[in-house]
Amino acid sequence: EAGVAQSPRYKIIEKRQSVAFWCNPISGHATLYWYQQILGQGPKLLIQFQNNGVVDDSQLPKDRFSAERLKGVDSTLKIQPAKLEDSAVYLCASSQQPGPTGELFFGEGSRLTVL
Amino acid sequence: AQSVTQPDIHITVSEGASLELRCNYSYGATPYLFWYVQSPGQGLQLLLKYFSGDTLVQGIKGFEAEFKRSQSSFNLRKPSVHWSDAAEYFCAVGEDNYGQNFVFGPGTRLSVLP
Repeated sequence: EAGVAQSPRYKIIEKRQSVAFWCNPISGHATLYWYQQILGQGPKLLIQFQNNGVVDDSQLPKDRFSAERLKGVDSTLKIQPAKLEDSAVYLCASSQQPGPTGELFFGEGSRLTVL
Repeated sequence: AQSVTQPDIHITVSEGASLELRCNYSYGATPYLFWYVQSPGQGLQLLLKYFSGDTLVQGIKGFEAEFKRSQSSFNLRKPSVHWSDAAEYFCAVGEDNYGQNFVFGPGTRLSVLP
């Protein structure tokens, strides 16, 4: 079974530029999450999708971050314009079902460096 | 709101020694508790989870954890550490509502001496 795929693995941009990250969840997983992991901290939820609908985006900085999950499969997370404090690893995770009983499967992450 | 603390930022143990990583949580109801491991450059992998029932849970790679409600703790243990266990370990708590959100602790980095 293929795991959660993310790209790019690494990205370096200057502040005020834009960047996009792509995630392909495990086949059949209806729930998809984007987490931000700043160096030395645990992952923090940015947004949760159930199929192609947003369940929770309360911690997404909507003035600069956006995310979509067209057709309920792949997802894209965009940052525009980037700030220095956006330097982090962006983790995508998926699960078969919503709720804490659904095991999260994580991708390897996309590491963003903002100069 | 839930919160998770992991008091130890970095722990070093010798290979073959026993290991205990501490986790304390703050949550009103019975929580859903998890331990994840993250190897360098990798995503997180679930080690074990506690939902209800027996408070001692077994996980993969020889790890176990014990839920102690009176102490609001969910400590991770392993009787004999292997060099391959060197990684970052995250404790997490999940709440049971549709807009569920796992809250992760800050992590404990484990180093293993040969």
